[in-house]
Amino acid sequence: DAGVIQSPRHEVTEMGQEVTLRCKPISGHNSLFWYRQTMMRGLELLIYFNNNVPIDDSGMPEDRFSAKMPNASFSTLKIQPSEPRDSAVYFCASSASGGFHEQYFGPGTRLTVT
Amino acid sequence: QKEVEQDPGPLSVPEGAIVSLNCTYSNSAFQYFMWYRQYSRKGPELLMYTYSSGNKEDGRFTAQVDKSSKYISLFIRDSQPSDSATYLCAMRGNQGGKLIFGQGTELSVKP
Repeated sequence: DAGVIQSPRHEVTEMGQEVTLRCKPISGHNSLFWYRQTMMRGLELLIYFNNNVPIDDSGMPEDRFSAKMPNASFSTLKIQPSEPRDSAVYFCASSASGGFHEQYFGPGTRLTVT
Repeated sequence: QKEVEQDPGPLSVPEGAIVSLNCTYSNSAFQYFMWYRQYSRKGPELLMYTYSSGNKEDGRFTAQVDKSSKYISLFIRDSQPSDSATYLCAMRGNQGGKLIFGQGTELSVKP
């Protein structure tokens, strides 16, 4: 099992640019989570999907952030336009059975916005 | 006030020591309690999973939940340098998969 796959692993971009983060969940998992981790705020849930449908997006900081899950094996998190305060590590996690079981985390994408 | 409070440390102990990590929470609806371990520049991985109150033991690790005090603990016996990591508590209620994480405690076990 390859685990949760995220790309890119590192992203450096300038303020105002569009950033797209990608995630491939573990095959057979029907829940997908996007988290953001910073020193100041810790690990925060941004949004999660069950069966490709967004269930809770209350953690999405503002309209500059959007997430999609067009099929069971792929999700994107987009920031447009990016700002320096978006600099963080973004994790994707997946889980079986609607998220009631263990969440398996990917390696994360380290985003730096200058 | 955050829903879950966790001392960020850092905590430094000698090899072989017993380590105690703790979290407090405010939401009485939380029923499922987890401890995740995160090595530097890696994603968190589940270490322990407990439902409601009580103790759970797995090798050198023991998780305790005291719902009356809204307090959870993770004990590590005979700590090893390989236990050096950040430990995050996480919890949720019965509705859905949304986890609320603590800030994480950075642990260093010195040889």
